[in-house]
Amino acid sequence: GQQLNQSPQSMFIQEGEDVSMNCTSSSIFNTWLWYKQDPGEGPVLLIALYKAGELTSNGRLTAQFGITRKDSFLNISASIPSDVGIYFCAGLSNQGGKLIFGQGTELSVKP
Amino acid sequence: DADVTQTPRNRITKTGKRIMLECSQTKGHDRMYWYRQDPGLGLRLIYYSFDVKDINKGEISDGYSVSRQAQAKFSLSLESAIPNQTALYFCATSDLHEASQFFGPGTRLTVL
Repeated sequence: GQQLNQSPQSMFIQEGEDVSMNCTSSSIFNTWLWYKQDPGEGPVLLIALYKAGELTSNGRLTAQFGITRKDSFLNISASIPSDVGIYFCAGLSNQGGKLIFGQGTELSVKP
Repeated sequence: DADVTQTPRNRITKTGKRIMLECSQTKGHDRMYWYRQDPGLGLRLIYYSFDVKDINKGEISDGYSVSRQAQAKFSLSLESAIPNQTALYFCATSDLHEASQFFGPGTRLTVL
């Protein structure tokens, strides 16, 4: 079945640093989504990408839909302590309209 | 009020017990999903339902069953809980024409 590989698995950074994470797959996806999960809560949608090559921003967050449609990237600029959490990528499967999730990137930000 | 609610939020039970987790939504979405989250494995789909009369198995349905009682309600049952079903469980909803899903706050289940 379709799978997503998300990296890195975890990151420990200093407040103010920029962060990059990515998701790759051997399959093509037509929609990529990025979610953030705060401790003790459910995932919340950050950015949705619908077109190959698309670059979309949401405040300090920027995500890109890879040209090959097999990858996506999320960048966070000037990190702050409330950026702490787990970030998930998700691709819309071409088999029945389900979302396939990456394993998550756990971000820790040191003040 | 939250759009997607889950009850209970926390549950500790013993091996062999029957457990039901409930999900309700006020978003008016047709599609509902149950996922389980384990550290390092992301979110894995257990069951999903595209409307009241539609139920489909996901990636890891063994040991679970579901019931879609109404458009707004989707419950997950563990007929005979086992320790490796200890996990965080999430319900989610989506609109027919949208890829994005909206998640509930989760249920932390511990099976002893």
